[in-house]
Amino acid sequence: GAGVSQSPRYKVAKRGQDVALRCDPISGHVSLFWYQQALGQGPEFLTYFQNEAQLDKSGLPSDRFFAERPEGSVSTLKIQRTQQEDSAVYLCASSLSQGAGQPQHFGDGTRLSIL
Amino acid sequence: RKEVEQDPGPFNVPEGATVAFNCTYSNSASQSFFWYRQDCRKEPKLLMSVYSSGNEDGRFTAQLNRASQYISLLIRDSKLSDSATYLCVVTPHNTDKLIFGTGTRLQVFP
Repeated sequence: GAGVSQSPRYKVAKRGQDVALRCDPISGHVSLFWYQQALGQGPEFLTYFQNEAQLDKSGLPSDRFFAERPEGSVSTLKIQRTQQEDSAVYLCASSLSQGAGQPQHFGDGTRLSIL
Repeated sequence: RKEVEQDPGPFNVPEGATVAFNCTYSNSASQSFFWYRQDCRKEPKLLMSVYSSGNEDGRFTAQLNRASQYISLLIRDSKLSDSATYLCVVTPHNTDKLIFGTGTRLQVFP
């Protein structure tokens, strides 16, 4: 279908490696969000883009986390020098336009395991 | 203290039962409220928005009490397919990001 697509679905990396997670939002969706979901917890906000502008990165846990959306469509979340506590499901969501009432559509997520 | 608090459950109920979930939020300036549903190892999906006047969608009724900073979800005539985790979600003032509760797990048994 034409939903939010994330890749890879699963990623296993050794501690200290860098990883890159990709998100393809629904075509035409202006807003894009990244969330982190640890086991047994609700998703936690990481960062938000409106088109190519990163408007809020207050949820990024450390400077090892970096996100970009250079052309206002596909986004990449990069984690440098991964740690075991980075193991989680990383969810991407998009919404058609700006506004708190806009529904956010989530992708299946990338399940990241750091050994 | 977490911004959005929910009883994690699990709630184990028989088919046909009525079950209610509650949630409290700490930021009085919060502007939008939702219930999301998440199946095991799947992505969250919007179940319904929540309004002060209360709203109903089939067997589901949601209610918001701004004075008490309290949100509820009522499920009538539970089905086996209702088994999932129900996430209480709030949008703070002047932002579009979602703040999720831990989720309440519901298991409906035959």
